[in-house]
Amino acid sequence: DAGITQSPRHKVTETGTPVTLRCHQTENHRYMYWYRQDPGHGLRLIHYSYGVKDTDKGEVSDGYSVSRSKTEDFLLTLESATSSQTSVYFCAISESGQGFSETQYFGPGTRLLVL
Amino acid sequence: AQSVTQLGSHVSVSEGALVLLRCNYSSSVPPYLFWYVQYPNQGLQLLLKYTSAATLVKGINGFEAEFKKSETSFHLTKPSAHMSDAAEYFCAVSEGGNTPLVFGKGTRLSVIA
Repeated sequence: DAGITQSPRHKVTETGTPVTLRCHQTENHRYMYWYRQDPGHGLRLIHYSYGVKDTDKGEVSDGYSVSRSKTEDFLLTLESATSSQTSVYFCAISESGQGFSETQYFGPGTRLLVL
Repeated sequence: AQSVTQLGSHVSVSEGALVLLRCNYSSSVPPYLFWYVQYPNQGLQLLLKYTSAATLVKGINGFEAEFKKSETSFHLTKPSAHMSDAAEYFCAVSEGGNTPLVFGKGTRLSVIA
C-alpha cells in the first residue's frame, strides 16, 4: 500500500468554523490531490499540487484553499465550513511528471460532518 | 472536455455469474482510462488502466476491460463473481498531462450467494 495517511479520519464541526485536513505521504511523489466524494457524484477534484508551493484548482474549488510547503504534506482548508461541505475527503498521490495519465494512489479518507 | 458515464448505479449478480460494469467516455484525444474499486470505508485502489498499449487490459482479482474506440466504451468484466467482489467501482478518464482525471458516478456491485 502507498504510504498515505490522512488526519483526522473523522471530524464534526459547526458552520462557520475553519477546518484543516492533512494529507501526509512517505513516497516522495510529486503530485498530490484532494477529492471529495458525495453520493451520486462520484469523486470530484478540489485542488491539486504538482510540486512544493505549486497548486491549481479543480472542478469544485470554491470555499477551499490548499497549501504545500513540503513534498510530503498537502493541507486542505475550509475557511468557513458550510453544511454543503459535509463529505468524505480523499487525498491521492501520483509519482512523477506525467500528471493525470498516471495511476493515483488514495488515502483512507476523512469523514467531515458540518452541523 | 472529457466525461464518463457509468450505466447503472447498482448492479446485482449471483455468485459465479458474469460481472459486467459499463463505462462510456468522451474525449477529444486518445484517452487514458482507469477502473478503480472502493471497498466499504476505504479509499480507492486501481483495478486496471488503459494506456493504448493493448485494447484488452487485464487487472487484479480476475477483472479485465476492453477498450473499444468505435463505441467509446471501456466496460469492466469478470467471468465469475465472488462474494469478495462486492464493492463500488469507478471508471475514470484522463486526457493526460495536466488535464484532470474525471470520475464516473460509480456502480455499486452486490453479489448474491
